[in-house]
Amino acid sequence: AQTVTQSQPEMSVQEAETVTLSCTYDTSESDYYLFWYKQPPSRQMILVIRQEAYKQQNATENRFSVNFQKAAKSFSLKISDSQLGDAAMYFCAYRSELVSGGTSYGKLTFGQGTILTVHP
Amino acid sequence: DTGVSQNPRHKITKRGQNVTFRCDPISEHNRLYWYRQTLGQGPEFLTYFQNEAQLEKSRLLSDRFSAERPKGSFSTLEIQRTEQGDSAMYLCASSFPMGVLSPEQYFGPGTRLTVT
Repeated sequence: AQTVTQSQPEMSVQEAETVTLSCTYDTSESDYYLFWYKQPPSRQMILVIRQEAYKQQNATENRFSVNFQKAAKSFSLKISDSQLGDAAMYFCAYRSELVSGGTSYGKLTFGQGTILTVHP
Repeated sequence: DTGVSQNPRHKITKRGQNVTFRCDPISEHNRLYWYRQTLGQGPEFLTYFQNEAQLEKSRLLSDRFSAERPKGSFSTLEIQRTEQGDSAMYLCASSFPMGVLSPEQYFGPGTRLTVT
């Protein structure tokens, strides 16, 4: 079974600065997706960024980028020019692409989350 | 399309009562997932539907839990004889078929259950 570990329960950053959130995972599979989701307080979870394991190039979405190290099974999220609206719980998630019996179900395995605080 | 919706948003019930939650996925999505999230933790997978077929269930889903997705549209999650340990946020997510378009799951706002 796959596991996802976020070793930073809480992180803080000054507005306009850069912060990096860490995530490691354990899998024996070679093909999978990794995601970062953001969950603001009392609001629903939204996707921040995704990475396909077969792609060597790190994904970027505006101020958000990842550092994907497949051999090390590491998937960190860098937030540049942090804004007050970035304050939230961030979850790293893994999705298998393993086809079982001709079907891949695609359930997500989440880490424990990192609470990000942004100071003005 | 306004995204995944869930009702009710909050439910307070007494121990031993039955509760039912509803999820309406994005209309083009044939895959529907239920997760449970306890305070300060990441969501944990409960069950998965592809169209109307329930194809996977977690060990977390005890006999008191049942889920349906009639006609492959909305889904319901019922908990019978609720226990205090059932108190959590129940999240629904939907996605396109595997290999089609984007692989992301889109989440609803959740139903927060409190068992007193």
